Amino acid sequence: DADVTQTPRNRITKTGKRIMLECSQTKGHDRMYWYRQDPGLGLRLIYYSFDVKDINKGEISDGYSVSRQAQAKFSLSLESAIPNQTALYFCATSESRTGELFFGEGSRLTVL
Amino acid sequence: TQLLEQSPQFLSIQEGENLTVYCNSSSVFSSLQWYRQEPGEGPVLLVTVVTGGEVKKLKRLTFQFGDARKDSSLHITAAQPGDTGLYLCAGGGNSGAGSYQLTFGKGTKLSVIP
Repeated sequence: DADVTQTPRNRITKTGKRIMLECSQTKGHDRMYWYRQDPGLGLRLIYYSFDVKDINKGEISDGYSVSRQAQAKFSLSLESAIPNQTALYFCATSESRTGELFFGEGSRLTVL
Repeated sequence: TQLLEQSPQFLSIQEGENLTVYCNSSSVFSSLQWYRQEPGEGPVLLVTVVTGGEVKKLKRLTFQFGDARKDSSLHITAAQPGDTGLYLCAGGGNSGAGSYQLTFGKGTKLSVIP
């Protein structure tokens, strides 16, 4: 089983719908992240959390929200999805200040 | 904002050839990581370099951190089809808010043709 699990792996939705992407980890790491990957743009940080009571905005947080339900769970929500949020989304965890990241397998979201 | 430029963006070579991928910035990083991402999967860490001038080897892959900690290179010797993937560099440092942040380059997409 994967150490960092994302659900769903693929989702097609319509403009204006609310979407939640979920992430769970068995690595025991305190730090969790949500990234977005677009062709030609690389990986961009949406939100990150260093522990259950800590939530921080990343480079591109507008239009997104997150919830850290437990040390092992970090979910990403799109309250009202729009087509330019079509992308591959990755959850990641890290253990230390060196920031070495362990990624999930990704959630491909298409907004029509 | 710290930026990392990777070059080339795309690289297609024959099996057995050597190649070098570059990661450059005008900013100093406290560490530099290299990841490889295969289609349908998340990036996987290959190596972390933290000292200026550091060289690390991972089988046929050689990673170097520049003396000034602003740039890095990845050299692959005798490339094999299994090396095919997207190679990402990521620089680590403190953000303006004081927390540690990673900045990713846009990646080099490598195709090794049998």
